[in-house]
Amino acid sequence: AQKITQTQPGMFVQEKEAVTLDCTYDTSDQSYGLFWYKQPSSGEMIFLIYQGSYDEQNATEGRYSLNFQKARKSANLVISASQLGDSAMYFCAMRTSAGGTSYGKLTFGQGTILTVHP
Amino acid sequence: NAGVTQTPKFRILKIGQSMTLQCTQDMNHNYMYWYRQDPGMGLKLIYYSVGAGITDKGEVPNGYNVSRSTTEDFPLRLELAAPSQTSVYFCASSYYGQGTGDEQYFGPGTRLTVT
Repeated sequence: AQKITQTQPGMFVQEKEAVTLDCTYDTSDQSYGLFWYKQPSSGEMIFLIYQGSYDEQNATEGRYSLNFQKARKSANLVISASQLGDSAMYFCAMRTSAGGTSYGKLTFGQGTILTVHP
Repeated sequence: NAGVTQTPKFRILKIGQSMTLQCTQDMNHNYMYWYRQDPGMGLKLIYYSVGAGITDKGEVPNGYNVSRSTTEDFPLRLELAAPSQTSVYFCASSYYGQGTGDEQYFGPGTRLTVT
């Protein structure tokens, strides 16, 4: 079974500083994808970044980067130069391809609430 | 593009009532999904569909039914509502369902309370 673990219920960061949100995953599949979504207090789910299991480079999208350590089964999100608008819940999610296809189904972690202080 | 739209935004149901949560996407995506999010928790998959006429159960399907008669629409039916179904419901869609990237696009959610 697939499992995503986010061990930090809450994190605090000062504006303009960098912060790392942890995510570890468990799967026996060789092919999988890891996603990070942001959920602001308004409730919508916003896609941030994706990392494929065969990607050799860490994914980056603007101020977001994914620190992918395959051997340790971790996919931490790094937000550089934090902004007040980054305050939100952040979810790590995994899509696996057991048997050749997953139909895109995602398994989510429990989330980390990030608060950015001015 | 409106993306993924969901109606209603909020609903209060009495125990035993039924209702349908509507979901429509205008991106011509093949794959659609229903998730529920309980307070302070991550999302759990209820049902998914890989195309018109094809649906399958996710992790928490009990108490729900779905249908997919068109590519655009994927309604979720709650029969005999129970307090345990109090949650926020998200509909999502994606084009391929697998492969590089291909993130899911989420609707704004429906907040349902069963009392």
